[in-house]
Amino acid sequence: AQSVTQLGSHVSVSEGALVLLRCNYSSSVPPYLFWYVQYPNQGLQLLLKYTTGATLVKGINGFEAEFKKSETSFHLTKPSAHMSDAAEYFCAVSSASGGSYIPTFGRGTSLIVHP
Amino acid sequence: DSGVTQTPKHLITATGQRVTLRCSPRSGDLSVYWYQQSLDQGLQFLIQYYNGEERAKGNILERFSAQQFPDLHSELNLSSLELGDSALYFCASRLDPMNTGELFFGEGSRLTVL
Repeated sequence: AQSVTQLGSHVSVSEGALVLLRCNYSSSVPPYLFWYVQYPNQGLQLLLKYTTGATLVKGINGFEAEFKKSETSFHLTKPSAHMSDAAEYFCAVSSASGGSYIPTFGRGTSLIVHP
Repeated sequence: DSGVTQTPKHLITATGQRVTLRCSPRSGDLSVYWYQQSLDQGLQFLIQYYNGEERAKGNILERFSAQQFPDLHSELNLSSLELGDSALYFCASRLDPMNTGELFFGEGSRLTVL
């Protein structure tokens, strides 16, 4: 079984400040990890993904995440928040089960950016 | 634009009714996934189809059913609707089930049950 825990349903930062969204996962097999972003009235879009190889993954819009196996974490960061980053962020874990990769999503973290 | 199309975007109906949500996957994608997003449950996996066949089942109620047609579009049927079924229903697609890459999501169908 696999699961994802996102710490904090809401994170509030000032524009220009560091963004840190936390994600811990549980998986019985090597996982594939994802961060998706959801803007209001839209579907989820992929920000970045970790499959294999380098543990520091760079995504779109200046976001990056680091896979830490020992901590079972995949936290999302961005050095400087922009107003346009305000959205809902979802961490997901995916591992093989019965011939399919079914992503399991966390509950989501709403990022609020203050001017 | 992800290339995944969902209709209708909004639907308001009454308890006890039945509705059908439709999804057209991204061109070339054979696998379709349905998710339910609600405030109390988050994003829950319902069911997956691959090339017309059911491939995996998640937390899908018996009142709900789905199918994928030969042209690869999919429909999610919700019957005997209850207030708690009010949610945003997402369809997503990818090339095949064993692809480890991203899912491409539609914009969702928002169902309101009154």
